[in-house]
Amino acid sequence: QKEVEQDPGPLSVPEGAIVSLNCTYSNSAFQYFMWYRQYSRKGPELLMYTYSSGNKEDGRFTAQVDKSSKYISLFIRDSQPSDSATYLCAMSGGYSSASKIIFGSGTRLSIRP
Amino acid sequence: GAVVSQHPSRVICKSGTSVKIECRSLDFQATTMFWYRQFPKKSLMLMATSNEGSKATYEQGVEKDKFLINHASLTLSTLTVTSAHPEDSSFYICSARDPRNVLTFGAGSRLTVL
Repeated sequence: QKEVEQDPGPLSVPEGAIVSLNCTYSNSAFQYFMWYRQYSRKGPELLMYTYSSGNKEDGRFTAQVDKSSKYISLFIRDSQPSDSATYLCAMSGGYSSASKIIFGSGTRLSIRP
Repeated sequence: GAVVSQHPSRVICKSGTSVKIECRSLDFQATTMFWYRQFPKKSLMLMATSNEGSKATYEQGVEKDKFLINHASLTLSTLTVTSAHPEDSSFYICSARDPRNVLTFGAGSRLTVL
């Protein structure tokens, strides 16, 4: 079993829809949770990061962490064609540089105009 | 915000030559940097962890002599692909843990070996 599972998609939704992206994980020691967006042929860019459980909102993006279920989500409201990209979840167990950051495989998202 | 600069963004070389890719943290110090490789439509594959002032830690299956990593200062790590072959053609991305404890990535370097 992989430490982090993420549906690779592709996921295609119409413009304006609410998008839900999810990851599950098996390591209960994970405490830091991140979402990255990667456009084709570019490096990933950090969208959201959260520590422990709870919700965090930034504009059209909301990140949720449910540690009891080992489940994290990223919601995108009022989706735009410019949101079309691959979204990667990532997580880590600690603050030190020795703590590895584990990535999901990424979900390819396409927003149809 | 934290910025990681990676250079060159694209490089084409002949088979058998060596190529160096630089990764710099511009506004923070990074004792640890990470090098990833990514194939088309695939996720990131961690190659090695670069440690300032000490040897890099390579992931299983990554050839140390093929992919030389040097982390000479707190803001610079380099990846040298030695005696490159067409199968080394790929997208290489570096990252560094910034003061928020999250990874900030460079823009990536696309290597094409002819």
